[in-house]
Amino acid sequence: GAGVSQSPRYKVAKRGQDVALRCDPISGHVSLFWYQQALGQGPEFLTYFQNEAQLDKSGLPSDRFFAERPEGSVSTLKIQRTQQEDSAVYLCASSLGWAFTGGKNIQYFGAGTRLSVL
Amino acid sequence: GQQLNQSPQSMFIQEGEDVSMNCTSSSIFNTWLWYKQDPGEGPVLLIALYKAGELTSNGRLTAQFGITRKDSFLNISASIPSDVGIYFCAGQTNAGGTSYGKLTFGQGTILTVHP
Repeated sequence: GAGVSQSPRYKVAKRGQDVALRCDPISGHVSLFWYQQALGQGPEFLTYFQNEAQLDKSGLPSDRFFAERPEGSVSTLKIQRTQQEDSAVYLCASSLGWAFTGGKNIQYFGAGTRLSVL
Repeated sequence: GQQLNQSPQSMFIQEGEDVSMNCTSSSIFNTWLWYKQDPGEGPVLLIALYKAGELTSNGRLTAQFGITRKDSFLNISASIPSDVGIYFCAGQTNAGGTSYGKLTFGQGTILTVHP
């Protein structure tokens, strides 16, 4: 498809389980971002990839959160030993990158994965 | 984490009325953006502003980038039922620093339009 695709759309996990969330960015997009959106809040930055390199992971809330993009396209956000406070919508966004846009680096969002930890 | 100060938190209006919402920050941004999010979907870009003082329109939507680069507003004229949703402002810094263009969002404005 032409847009950012995320799967699964919904995930229910028991506390303590590991989960993996997938993001397929728009083809050719260099930059990939993950955001966490708590209920009733705006999205908050988690981590950023430029191709396969994870250049910023300052927003990851704990060492239970891990993200990768091994071939510079598809990315996976993994959460180990899930806790109830991890319940949120996880949004992925991609963009062409600064080198190609002359500063107009618009991010396009997927529909998100809604994670519920019971 | 940091979020921008967006107001109002919610609005209930009649179809045909105009709407105004704004966003302020303690930090300077190089780009201001306004997104709309429908239930179960990701944010969709409405308007992007790249220059302090810039006023940009997109159909019935008008947005301005504040001169101080710390604020922005969005106006919607002659609202219609499909305008219902959550509107977010977002600030973006350029990749000259270490932000890599990550977005900082407001808390959102929930818009309800009564027919």
